[in-house]
Amino acid sequence: AQSVSQHNHHVILSEAASLELGCNYSYGGTVNLFWYVQYPGQHLQLLLKYFSGDPLVKGIKGFEAEFIKSKFSFNLRKPSVQWSDTAEYFCAVNAGGTSYGKLTFGQGTILTVHP
Amino acid sequence: GAVVSQHPSRVICKSGTSVKIECRSLDFQATTMFWYRQFPKKSLMLMATSNEGSKATYEQGVEKDKFLINHASLTLSTLTVTSAHPEDSSFYICSANKRVSSYEQYFGPGTRLTVT
Repeated sequence: AQSVSQHNHHVILSEAASLELGCNYSYGGTVNLFWYVQYPGQHLQLLLKYFSGDPLVKGIKGFEAEFIKSKFSFNLRKPSVQWSDTAEYFCAVNAGGTSYGKLTFGQGTILTVHP
Repeated sequence: GAVVSQHPSRVICKSGTSVKIECRSLDFQATTMFWYRQFPKKSLMLMATSNEGSKATYEQGVEKDKFLINHASLTLSTLTVTSAHPEDSSFYICSANKRVSSYEQYFGPGTRLTVT
């Protein structure tokens, strides 16, 4: 069975600091990778996704993620965070070829950005 | 857009009663909807996949007789927690696929269930 691991439970940064959130998955086959964000009191929203092609994908709000197949990783990055980025971030994996949309989520990383 | 709503947003029920949670896709038709459960400080765990017009597919360890799922139309799926107990208290989230062959899901705002 596939699993997803996010390394940090809680990250605290000051505004303008750079961000990198780790995500590793365990599955040997083709995967589709996602990062979702959940702002306080709101529902999950898609930040970015990787299906195929360029392993560096750009999402909304200045976020990007890099798929490194050899490391089974899909880390999320942002060069300069803002206070409004305070939220919980979830990495998710769909094993390609399985039922569409069936996602396995990581544990989530809470990001707190201080102004 | 792709908006998914859930009703109610919060519900408190007594132990032994049943409670129904609705998930609706407001501006698209969803042949497949998913039900997740989110425990405090933990990730979302997929409970079941709900397919319009057919039986739901439950994940291992999820009691199908306790968590009844009905997907009667292309815009509505319901989750009924039967004979609820305090350990069923949780945050339940649904999501929906916008297209049959899509890997992208759109999530509802969730329902906080508290069983007293």
